[in-house]
Amino acid sequence: RKEVEQDPGPFNVPEGATVAFNCTYSNSASQSFFWYRQDCRKEPKLLMSVYSSGNEDGRFTAQLNRASQYISLLIRDSKLSDSATYLCVVRSGTGNQFYFGTGTSLTVIP
Amino acid sequence: EAGVTQSPTHLIKTRGQQATLRCSPISGHTSVYWYQQALGLGLQFLLWYDEGEERNRGNFPPRFSGRQFPNYSSELNVNALELEDSALYLCASSSGRLRRANEKLFFGSGTQLSVL
Repeated sequence: RKEVEQDPGPFNVPEGATVAFNCTYSNSASQSFFWYRQDCRKEPKLLMSVYSSGNEDGRFTAQLNRASQYISLLIRDSKLSDSATYLCVVRSGTGNQFYFGTGTSLTVIP
Repeated sequence: EAGVTQSPTHLIKTRGQQATLRCSPISGHTSVYWYQQALGLGLQFLLWYDEGEERNRGNFPPRFSGRQFPNYSSELNVNALELEDSALYLCASSSGRLRRANEKLFFGSGTQLSVL
C-alpha cells in the first residue's frame, strides 16, 4: 500500500467554482502534513501546511482528519492561475522522511 | 536569502555515460533530498542525506548514488545511464532538526537530464 494516495484527476472546473481534493495516508504516526503546488515542469512549491484544527489562507482551506487519516484542500472562487498539480505530502513520525502523493491535476477553464 | 540551487539546469548525455548533478541547500539546512520525476509522473524518492550521512534511499538501482559534503551541499551520480533515466531531477532541503514539528521541504528548480 502506498504511503500517500491521491485521486489524480484531472479536475476541469470553470472560473469561480469551488473544488476539493482529498488525500489519504497509511501511517497513523505521521507528524506533519502539507499541500504543495507544482506547475508544469517546474519545482513543487509549498502551498500550505495542514493543521489538526484546520487552517485557511485566503481562498484555500486545508483540513486534517487524523482518525480517518485523510487530508483535504478546498479552493474557493477558482482562478485561471490556480491551474496546476496539487501534491499531498506527509512527513513520517520516525525520522524526517517525506512522502508525496502522485498529485491531482486541476485545470480552471475560462 | 538564496534558495535551493541546482546545477546544471539541463544535461544531455548518451547511454552508458555518467551524470553528476549538484545541489546547494538553503543556508542553515542540513538535510538534502533527491527526487526523480519522469515526464507525466509523480515524484519518486531517490536519496536522503542529513549531516553528511545517507539516511535512506528509494527503490533505485545502485548505479544511482550520491554524497553530502561538509558544507551540506550534495551530488547525485548516475552511472551507466539508460534511456529511462531521462527525467527532471529535483533536490530539496530542510532544516534537518527532527524536533521541529513543522519541518518543511524547499525545492530547487531541478536538473533536466536527457539521455540519448
